[in-house]
Amino acid sequence: EPEVTQTPSHQVTQMGQEVILRCVPISNHLYFYWYRQILGQKVEFLVSFYNNEISEKSEIFDDQFSVERPDGSNFTLKIRSTKLEDSAMYFCASSETNSPPGIQYFGAGTRLSVL
Amino acid sequence: AQSVTQPDIHITVSEGASLELRCNYSYGATPYLFWYVQSPGQGLQLLLKYFSGDTLVQGIKGFEAEFKRSQSSFNLRKPSVHWSDAAEYFCAVVRHGSSNTGKLIFGQGTTLQVKP
Repeated sequence: EPEVTQTPSHQVTQMGQEVILRCVPISNHLYFYWYRQILGQKVEFLVSFYNNEISEKSEIFDDQFSVERPDGSNFTLKIRSTKLEDSAMYFCASSETNSPPGIQYFGAGTRLSVL
Repeated sequence: AQSVTQPDIHITVSEGASLELRCNYSYGATPYLFWYVQSPGQGLQLLLKYFSGDTLVQGIKGFEAEFKRSQSSFNLRKPSVHWSDAAEYFCAVVRHGSSNTGKLIFGQGTTLQVKP
C-alpha cells in the first residue's frame, strides 16, 4: 500500500537554528498538510497546501514557518529560527481529493527536539 | 466554541471485552467525522469515517461507529478487543462549507490499554 514517508524520524537542534522537515506524499495526491502534536496535547493543524500555494494556515503557522514543494515529489516544512516551544512531533499528510474530504494518509512523523 | 471532545483520556479494558470510546463535537452543522488510530512509532491510520447516510459505519480492524445527531456524538465501538488494539485513538472532524480545505480538527485522544 502506498505510504507517506517522513525524514528524519528524529531531529535534534539548538534554539535559533533552522530546520527542514521532509515528507514524500503519496504520488497521485494533490492536497498536502502539516500537523503537529506537542507531548501530551492534541494533534493540531498547521497548514494545508494545494496547487503550489497555501490554502489555509493556523495561528501557529507564523512567519517562522514556511512550506514548499520544491520538486513535485517532496513537501517540506521549514522553521527558520526554532524555539523551545517548537519541540513536538510533526506529521505530514496527503489526500487525493478535497470535496468531500479525502482520506488523509499520515506519515510516521518527525520528532523535533529543540534544546 | 467549536470543538471536538473525547471525555476519556485513558481507558483500560480486558482482552475480549467490548469497547466504546466517546466523541462529541460542537459545530453548527454536522461536520464530516473520522476516527484515527495511532500505534506507537507509527502515523495516524484512518479507522472509519462518516459523511452521510447510514448512521452506523463499519471500519477496519472490526471497529464500528455510530453517529447520533441528537447527541452530537460519534462513538467508536468494538465488540471484542484484542491486545493489538492497544493504541491511541483520535476522533476528528472536517467542517462543511465552501471554505473547506480538508483541515482535520482533532480531539484530545484516548489511550487504550488492553489487559491480558
